[in-house]
Amino acid sequence: QKEVEQDPGPLSVPEGAIVSLNCTYSNSAFQYFMWYRQYSRKGPELLMYTYSSGNKEDGRFTAQVDKSSKYISLFIRDSQPSDSATYLCAMSALMGNDMRFGAGTRLTVKP
Amino acid sequence: ETGVTQTPRHLVMGMTNKKSLKCEQHLGHNAMYWYKQSAKKPLELMFVYSLEERVENNSVPSRFSPECPNSSHLFLHLHTLQPEDSALYLCASSQDAAYEQFFGPGTRLTVL
Repeated sequence: QKEVEQDPGPLSVPEGAIVSLNCTYSNSAFQYFMWYRQYSRKGPELLMYTYSSGNKEDGRFTAQVDKSSKYISLFIRDSQPSDSATYLCAMSALMGNDMRFGAGTRLTVKP
Repeated sequence: ETGVTQTPRHLVMGMTNKKSLKCEQHLGHNAMYWYKQSAKKPLELMFVYSLEERVENNSVPSRFSPECPNSSHLFLHLHTLQPEDSALYLCASSQDAAYEQFFGPGTRLTVL
């Protein structure tokens, strides 16, 4: 079993749709949960960060962590063509040195 | 230059060649990382340097050799690579072992 599972997609939605991206994991020691966004020909950049369980909202983006189910989600409301990118979930137990990434989900938002 | 830069952006090499990838960070960070990104696979952490000392080596084959001469520069020396080593190699930096890592644009490596 992979430590972090993420459906690579691709996922295509119309502009304005609500997007749901998910990851599951197997290591119960993970307590830092991140979502990175990677545009084509660029490196990943941090989008959202959550510590332990709970929700976090930032504008159109909401990150959710359910440690009991080992499941994390990223919701994008009112999706825009500029949201088209690959979204990678990442998590760690000790901050940084042991970060594990998902395979990334490629999202296309069509105008 | 700002952020994290990587050179070259593209590299094609034969299996017997020796080449080096260069990364430079302009953010004043004290930790640097090498990652390998292959299509439809998770980003793989290869090496971690903190305060110029290697603190993590995730069972990477010896044909990959990192070097961190100072806190701003990181190299990945390559020799006798295999075709399966073809991938995007990403460098990142952070302040301490932080969850927020700043990535460069990567070097697209093709091994023939």
